[in-house]
Amino acid sequence: GDSVTQMEGPVTLSEEAFLTINCTYTATGYPSLFWYVQYPGEGLQLLLKATKADDKGSNKGFEATYRKETTSFHLEKGSVQVSDSAVYFCALKDPSAGNQFYFGTGTSLTVIP
Amino acid sequence: GAVVSQHPSWVICKSGTSVKIECRSLDFQATTMFWYRQFPKQSLMLMATSNEGSKATYEQGVEKDKFLINHASLTLSTLTVTSAHPEDSSFYICSATREDSEQYFGPGTRLTVT
Repeated sequence: GDSVTQMEGPVTLSEEAFLTINCTYTATGYPSLFWYVQYPGEGLQLLLKATKADDKGSNKGFEATYRKETTSFHLEKGSVQVSDSAVYFCALKDPSAGNQFYFGTGTSLTVIP
Repeated sequence: GAVVSQHPSWVICKSGTSVKIECRSLDFQATTMFWYRQFPKQSLMLMATSNEGSKATYEQGVEKDKFLINHASLTLSTLTVTSAHPEDSSFYICSATREDSEQYFGPGTRLTVT
């Protein structure tokens, strides 16, 4: 079945450091891929998405490229800020699985000044 | 656009009582609503999927008689935790989809059962 494997955290970085959070997936069909962010005490917010192979999603300085050959969708940001501290979830939606979402376990990021 | 609200944002109840959580799509009609449960430092666990006017579809292992879901309209779904116990304490998140199939999440409801 479908699944998402995400880099375990927690991750602690200094401000302006480079961020990579790895995400790989398994899907029976041709999924869309997402990164969601959850700030403390809040629900999930869509950060970026990509709907087909080689698409690059980007938002707020974050980027992720849909790599079908490696079944990956790694999240990157060139220079993190304290305000980026949150939990990041990788997710997929597989049309062949009734459009159900599958989430990774989440990666907690703390950025220190 | 595409705002989903939940009410209440947090609730404390005594063991044995029932609690109702509302999920509303404020500016769109939701074809489908989902209910998730999130334990501390863990991912979201899908509990059930509901479509307006029909019975909810529960995931394996989720007690349908304990977690009652009603989807009365295209903008409102409710989750009632019946006879709550401390182990039901959790963060409950709903989401709603519209025609573009994008999933929009509510801010969550923290339930504490004492």
